[in-house]
Amino acid sequence: KAGVTQTPRYLIKTRGQQVTLSCSPISGHRSVSWYQQTPGQGLQFLFEYFSETQRNKGNFPGRFSGRQFSNSRSEMNVSTLELGDSALYLCASRGTGGRNEKLFFGSGTQLSVL
Amino acid sequence: GESVGLHLPTLSVQEGDNSIINCAYSNSASDYFIWYKQESGKGPQFIIDIRSNMDKRQGQRVTVLLNKTVKHLSLQIAATQPGDSAVYFCAGDYYGQNFVFGPGTRLSVLP
Repeated sequence: KAGVTQTPRYLIKTRGQQVTLSCSPISGHRSVSWYQQTPGQGLQFLFEYFSETQRNKGNFPGRFSGRQFSNSRSEMNVSTLELGDSALYLCASRGTGGRNEKLFFGSGTQLSVL
Repeated sequence: GESVGLHLPTLSVQEGDNSIINCAYSNSASDYFIWYKQESGKGPQFIIDIRSNMDKRQGQRVTVLLNKTVKHLSLQIAATQPGDSAVYFCAGDYYGQNFVFGPGTRLSVLP
């Protein structure tokens, strides 16, 4: 069974640009969550999607958005990039997103904003 | 706000010794906890989990202990090996909505 796949693996952008990251969950998993990982803040929850609907949202500005498609694949978009957006963006999937259900992570997309 | 924290940012152990990584949490409503291992350039990898109705759970060379009274959990790794060198995160379920992660402990295994 294939794991969580994230593309691209690396991205370099400049301030003011926008970026779209992609995530394919484990087959059969309907919940997809996104996390931002930085050395200073650790892993911070961005949002979770389930059945094409955003179910939960973390404390990030509106520049961070996402969506989920009918096949459970998810994309995350960051508009008007800032230097502080440089981070590893991790996608995680789980079956239904219910309680007591572990997250399976992808390898992440390393975003560098110059 | 919610937090899940670790007592030590780094831990060095001799190969073959046992490792203990600690974690404290603040949300009494968290009823599910996971330990993850993250190697350089990779995403977090599931190690072991525990529900709040348990005090202890064992896996292969790993044991997680949960003390709900003091809101503390620990990860014990037996006979630590070089391949165990990584950053370890604890994560607590936050009202079933998302996981709150601790800052991580970097485990270094010395030869």
